[in-house]
Amino acid sequence: GAVVSQHPSRVICKSGTSVKIECRSLDFQATTMFWYRQFPKKSLMLMATSNEGSKATYEQGVEKDKFLINHASLTLSTLTVTSAHPEDSSFYICSASRRDRGFTEAFFGQGTRLTVV
Amino acid sequence: GNSVTQMEGPVTLSEEAFLTINCTYTATGYPSLFWYVQYPGEGLQLLLKATKADDKGSNKGFEATYRKETTSFHLEKGSVQVSDSAVYFCALLNNAGNMLTFGGGTRLMVKP
Repeated sequence: GAVVSQHPSRVICKSGTSVKIECRSLDFQATTMFWYRQFPKKSLMLMATSNEGSKATYEQGVEKDKFLINHASLTLSTLTVTSAHPEDSSFYICSASRRDRGFTEAFFGQGTRLTVV
Repeated sequence: GNSVTQMEGPVTLSEEAFLTINCTYTATGYPSLFWYVQYPGEGLQLLLKATKADDKGSNKGFEATYRKETTSFHLEKGSVQVSDSAVYFCALLNNAGNMLTFGGGTRLMVKP
């Protein structure tokens, strides 16, 4: 099946620094990429949806200037957490959708556990 | 807009018990439906999918049938194992592939 690679899987950073998370669709061109945040023992919270070459659409309550999303190509999207603070510590998951043979599928990266100290 | 509702957990079962996790949805058009599983500390893995009405997705003993008349995609397994303990998410992807909607997740705990 299709593979979505997310990197890094874990990162620890100091408060005030920025962290970039990459999401790549390895063997297909993604129609759309999604970024989610998951709090402990909670469901996934959609942060933003992005299409290649266009600006991301952010969900209400998500700070655009803090969570920068760049969708540079059909196979790569990046999420940069700028000026990270301890409350940004969370599990971030990306997903890529593919439309093929008349139906769509969504594939997930492995997730990135961010800890801000 | 689209929405997915699944039963709240946690669901606690004994090993070899029958499992049902209900999932219903509202959507326009002809979405694809998915069940994802998340084991502790890990990302999401696709468990099974169905892309059109009456399709049955199956994997690792789990099954779910896309029922358009009842807008449901209930997950079932005849005999659960301790290793099935995880959080299960029902999800819907619209036909255009640009809107992915999740249910709240159901935690399953299987006791030996």
